[in-house]
Amino acid sequence: QSVLTQPPSVSGAPGQRVTISCTGSSSNIGAGYDVHWYQQLPGTAPKLLIYGDTNRPSGVPDRFSGSKSGTSASLAITGLQAEDEADYYCQSYDSSLSDVLFGGGTKLTVL
Amino acid sequence: EVQLVESGGGLVQPGGSLRLSCAASGFTFSDYSMNWVRQAPGKGLEWVSYISSYSTTIYYADSVKGRFTISRDNAKNSLYLQMNSLRAEDTAVYYCARVSAITAPRDYWGQGTLVTVSS
Repeated sequence: QSVLTQPPSVSGAPGQRVTISCTGSSSNIGAGYDVHWYQQLPGTAPKLLIYGDTNRPSGVPDRFSGSKSGTSASLAITGLQAEDEADYYCQSYDSSLSDVLFGGGTKLTVL
Repeated sequence: EVQLVESGGGLVQPGGSLRLSCAASGFTFSDYSMNWVRQAPGKGLEWVSYISSYSTTIYYADSVKGRFTISRDNAKNSLYLQMNSLRAEDTAVYYCARVSAITAPRDYWGQGTLVTVSS
């Protein structure tokens, strides 16, 4: 069981908005450590999607956005497209464990 | 263009050893820290190990501490993972990824190499 908790799956119709939560604790997200998000398309390596809680790397559409509050972070995807169907992972650092943490991953299905 | 290419995966018996390599290009390798992340079949991502740009700082996940050794050769633009005393639960795709600091994002990833531990 991951220290960073994500819902196993979310779904939405094309054009809709979905959010994926990432819940941590006072020793990781709540301690102020950055949250990063990765997208993993089927059969491919993960790709950085959001870094430093809210920032998009060059080339990532502005349909993807990140936020953080307290011990949780969220990834929002607006204007859902079929190509967004993938696994999404949050990542942070934990000072108590001295470990890099990944969430368990969320599978996004575009209906 | 940043490229990371892993190699060295394969089938190994429990208790055996394997050495993974990651060849980097398209950036100044010695300017960046690196790490290994693995993904068991059908499972999520698990951080394995981190090494700073000049190997002065090294971290391991508890699950591999004492069995795996990370290293790098900046002259050869290469990252390595020596894996000893392998167990069935080490079966995974192993990715190398570039990072600027332990808390920073893994901004570029290789395509991964599959390690299968089975008799």
